[in-house]
Amino acid sequence: EADIYQTPRYLVIGTGKKITLECSQTMGHDKMYWYQQDPGMELHLIHYSYGVNSTEKGDLSSESTVSRIRTEHFPLTLESARPSHTSQYLCASQGQRDYNEQFFGPGTRLTVL
Amino acid sequence: GENVEQHPSTLSVQEGDSAVIKCTYSDSASNYFPWYKQELGKRPQLIIDIRSNVGEKKDQRIAVTLNKTAKHFSLHITETQPEDSAVYFCAASKGSNYKLTFGKGTLLTVNP
Repeated sequence: EADIYQTPRYLVIGTGKKITLECSQTMGHDKMYWYQQDPGMELHLIHYSYGVNSTEKGDLSSESTVSRIRTEHFPLTLESARPSHTSQYLCASQGQRDYNEQFFGPGTRLTVL
Repeated sequence: GENVEQHPSTLSVQEGDSAVIKCTYSDSASNYFPWYKQELGKRPQLIIDIRSNVGEKKDQRIAVTLNKTAKHFSLHITETQPEDSAVYFCAASKGSNYKLTFGKGTLLTVNP
């Protein structure tokens, strides 16, 4: 079934650790996005990509980095996690046609101790 | 860039009543306005959207209206049910080659 997947779903780590949040989609979409969201709060765009080898920073400054080497894969990396990075991270994808819906993944809830 | 304001931030209604959530946008070039619903612990999901060449769109109990002159659009939910309780986000964009700008969200609570 075509969907968008995120792993891990929950992650608790110590300060200073390097982490990578995985996002994969089997929908054939070229556009992918990363949002940061505290529970029930607004969605902050932190990174987006319109295709392979294309990445842009979003509206909210983030210490994370992303890569887009394959169309279906859009991982997010934190080189040195801090407690201020504790949040939920949502990945989304969108097709090429005009006015296409953004589909969201289930999210990764990150806690940095 | 685009700025989307959403009101109210919280809304509490009795089951069966109507609920209205309003959004304004700043960029007159925006032409696509989706609404997403996010239930507690779940991912946001599209519930309805409208394009700038349409003034109103309905889907069963939900409807969206758009006033391009005033640069505002609204979500209307009639005959609310407890399962309508969620956070609703409005958004705007200039088309598929542009990112979505989201409002800050409205927490809707439908009391039985």
